[in-house]
Amino acid sequence: QKEVEQNSGPLSVPEGAIASLNCTYSDRGSQSFFWYRQYSGKSPELIMFIYSNGDKEDGRFTAQLNKASQYVSLLIRDSQPSDSATYLCAWGSGNQFYFGTGTSLTVIP
Amino acid sequence: GAGVSQTPSNKVTEKGKYVELRCDPISGHTALYWYRQSLGQGPEFLIYFQGTGAADDSGLPNDRFFAVRPEGSVSTLKIQRTERGDSAVYLCASSVRSKIPGQGSPGANVLTFGAGSRLTVL
Repeated sequence: QKEVEQNSGPLSVPEGAIASLNCTYSDRGSQSFFWYRQYSGKSPELIMFIYSNGDKEDGRFTAQLNKASQYVSLLIRDSQPSDSATYLCAWGSGNQFYFGTGTSLTVIP
Repeated sequence: GAGVSQTPSNKVTEKGKYVELRCDPISGHTALYWYRQSLGQGPEFLIYFQGTGAADDSGLPNDRFFAVRPEGSVSTLKIQRTERGDSAVYLCASSVRSKIPGQGSPGANVLTFGAGSRLTVL
């Protein structure tokens, strides 16, 4: 069964701290991995994607992929109150994208 | 258009009624997806179109759900004999993609979502 497991949280961090979000997946055939941010009442928006083992950095965001351990994580440095949202991880295989249930993040001013 | 457009944004209907939800993808995007998202859950795959044809409809929960994309652009999700359990936000997404995610340009496999259609069945 193709599953994506996320710690549903909620996760609270103080402003300026590092927020760490984690996701594990079940299908070793997974090829592309995505992090989406979803504000309450809004649709998901892409933060970044990763397809190679290792780290990928984009501004304050770093995605980390470990295919051997089947996990992908997202680090948010210098967290801001505007980062408060639900973060969805997803992976792609075949012609489908599978989403986790999301992790709710609150950044406390 | 500039983004994925979904109408209506909100739909309230009574149990047993028929509803249609429309999605207008980003111009030029050949792939179109429908997802359903319930409160506190991640998006659940329903159906995927490549061009005019439904390439994968394995996520449709039952035969009350049907979707079309007759001209390879706008898509309509149709729900017959609605039930209270159908209440959710229905998300449409489009992308320009290769046949298999992860091969070719990964950037081509990114989903761009519309704002969603919130369906409430009373």
